[in-house]
Amino acid sequence: EVVMTQSPATLAVSPGERATLSCRASQRFSSKLAWYQQKPGQAPRLLIYGVSTRATGIPARFSGSGSGTEFTLTISSLQSEDFAVYYCQQYENWPYTFGQGTKVEIK
Amino acid sequence: QVQLVQSGAEVKKPGASVKVSCKTSGYTFTDYYLHWVRQAPGQGLEWMGWISPNSGDTNYAQKFQGRVTMTRDTSISTAHLELSGLRSDDSALYFCAKERSRYNIWDALDYWGQGTMLTVSS
Repeated sequence: EVVMTQSPATLAVSPGERATLSCRASQRFSSKLAWYQQKPGQAPRLLIYGVSTRATGIPARFSGSGSGTEFTLTISSLQSEDFAVYYCQQYENWPYTFGQGTKVEIK
Repeated sequence: QVQLVQSGAEVKKPGASVKVSCKTSGYTFTDYYLHWVRQAPGQGLEWMGWISPNSGDTNYAQKFQGRVTMTRDTSISTAHLELSGLRSDDSALYFCAKERSRYNIWDALDYWGQGTMLTVSS
């Protein structure tokens, strides 16, 4: 199975600053990578699919990039509602696999 | 609007079985694959498998083969997850989630149920 490794595990950022989250895959794949946001007690919410396409209703401050085995989620200017856990997921190979998550917390 | 509403929390003893339901609305149930994902307390997300609501075809993660059954009832737009031989490490929040694209299994999950908490304890 494709192992997805996210870094860092925790990222402390001040409101208004940029956050950069990384996701590395154990093998190359094309473009079937998604990012999800999860807040405590809630279901995950789809942010990005196809590496870089924002899902419906997702603000432009969220952007995705990358290729091969290295992928990045960037939040350009953190808002209070962005403090949460973020997961990457590949959906090109069975089983679908998620990273272990990056917690973005207030600095 | 699209909604996935799951059944309530369950408490089961080791060795028992559990059946969780996911009632959908706001879209054509048979057009979109449904997935099940679980999350142990304080842990990450683990994909369990999918079902095609149209055909009933399923695909399970190898880890759950032999213990998991995914079914659907198209008359009430509801999918079910049944897990047998429960162990304490099956205690988790179980989510159903809809595939983003019609008729397509190779896509992200755009709508999720609220989750069903399963506790396995003697």
